[in-house]
Amino acid sequence: GENVEQHPSTLSVQEGDSAVIKCTYSDSASNYFPWYKQELGKRPQLIIDIRSNVGEKKDQRIAVTLNKTAKHFSLHITETQPEDSAVYFCAAGGKLIFGQGTTLQVKP
Amino acid sequence: NAGVMQNPRHLVRRRGQEARLRCSPMKGHSHVYWYRQLPEEGLKFMVYLQKENIIDESGMPKERFSAEFPKEGPSILRIQQVVRGDSAAYFCASSGRQGVLSPLHFGNGTRLTVT
Repeated sequence: GENVEQHPSTLSVQEGDSAVIKCTYSDSASNYFPWYKQELGKRPQLIIDIRSNVGEKKDQRIAVTLNKTAKHFSLHITETQPEDSAVYFCAAGGKLIFGQGTTLQVKP
Repeated sequence: NAGVMQNPRHLVRRRGQEARLRCSPMKGHSHVYWYRQLPEEGLKFMVYLQKENIIDESGMPKERFSAEFPKEGPSILRIQQVVRGDSAAYFCASSGRQGVLSPLHFGNGTRLTVT
């Protein structure tokens, strides 16, 4: 069945550093790849998404890259801030299968 | 424009009782998805519905779980004869006309506790 693998499961960075989270997917028909941020006890919120007709998308400090040939996509956060600390999920596939999540901790 | 509304926020049930979780999608959205999230785990797909139709229920347990999205009213996720392992956060999400190619908007979830 469809599968999405996400790495790393935890990531700790110093404030101001960059953070990169990677996902691979199995369904070659996937054409929509969103990223969600979930703070403790709250709902997942969309932070950026990309469709398969583009290779990269950027929104201020957040960027996503997509390699359809290799079936992987990545989230890049630059100049991290303490408020970026949360769990981040990638998703792909016809019914949006989510990765296992990455807990990002940004140390002041 | 109200977002996705889920109720109740918290639900406590004893083993063997029934749990009914409700989800009203965003205005204009006709696609509803249900996900289950265990503590410190990811979002597990359960079911995808459109009005009066179940499109994909491949993530639903074969027994005790059912979902509907009637022509009028909210989508309902129903769990019969709950067991402790059903304790989790259940999130509903909705999307617009393009279905999965448009962003999913999540509700605040229902946290089910089975005692």
